[in-house]
Amino acid sequence: SQKIEQNSEALNIQEGKTATLTCNYTNYSPAYLQWYRQDPGRGPVFLLLIRENEKEKRKERLKVTFDTTLKQSLFHITASQPADSATYLCALERSGGYNKLIFGAGTRLAVHP
Amino acid sequence: GAGVSQTPSNKVTEKGKYVELRCDPISGHTALYWYRQSLGQGPEFLIYFQGTGAADDSGLPNDRFFAVRPEGSVSTLKIQRTERGDSAVYLCASSTGQGIDAGELFFGEGSRLTVL
Repeated sequence: SQKIEQNSEALNIQEGKTATLTCNYTNYSPAYLQWYRQDPGRGPVFLLLIRENEKEKRKERLKVTFDTTLKQSLFHITASQPADSATYLCALERSGGYNKLIFGAGTRLAVHP
Repeated sequence: GAGVSQTPSNKVTEKGKYVELRCDPISGHTALYWYRQSLGQGPEFLIYFQGTGAADDSGLPNDRFFAVRPEGSVSTLKIQRTERGDSAVYLCASSTGQGIDAGELFFGEGSRLTVL
């Protein structure tokens, strides 16, 4: 079955540094991959989508890479701020393109002043 | 409204009772999804609607769960004979369409269900 692994331990970094989160998957070749942010008690909020034929995508301080050979995506936040503290979810599309997503358990990021 | 609206935000019920959870998607969004999220886990797909029809209900755990979207907008998730294992946050999401450009999901804040 499809499996997505994200770092289960919280990532603690200092303000201003680059945060790097990892998403590894097995047994599947998704057409695209999405990253979401989730704050406690809130619904997930979409951040970025990257397709299988794209190596990298950027949006402001965010960067996502997608390596279909390694079956891995990396999510970077540059110049991190305490307001970036949240849980970040990786999700793979498992359907014919209608967002039937498989989510990882998420990685909690804490940015300290 | 501006976003996906879910009611109730919290629901506490007793084992064996029937519950309904409501979702009001973003106006104009034809695709609607229900996901379920347990503590410490990512959301898990339950069902997908395109318009009024359930295009994929393969994630519904058993026949106690049922969802409708009679007019292609508001959806209701119905759970019969609730069990303690049904306790979770039920998330509704909508998006603009289908296919590879289905794009992002817009999630509501969720309905937290607790079965005692």
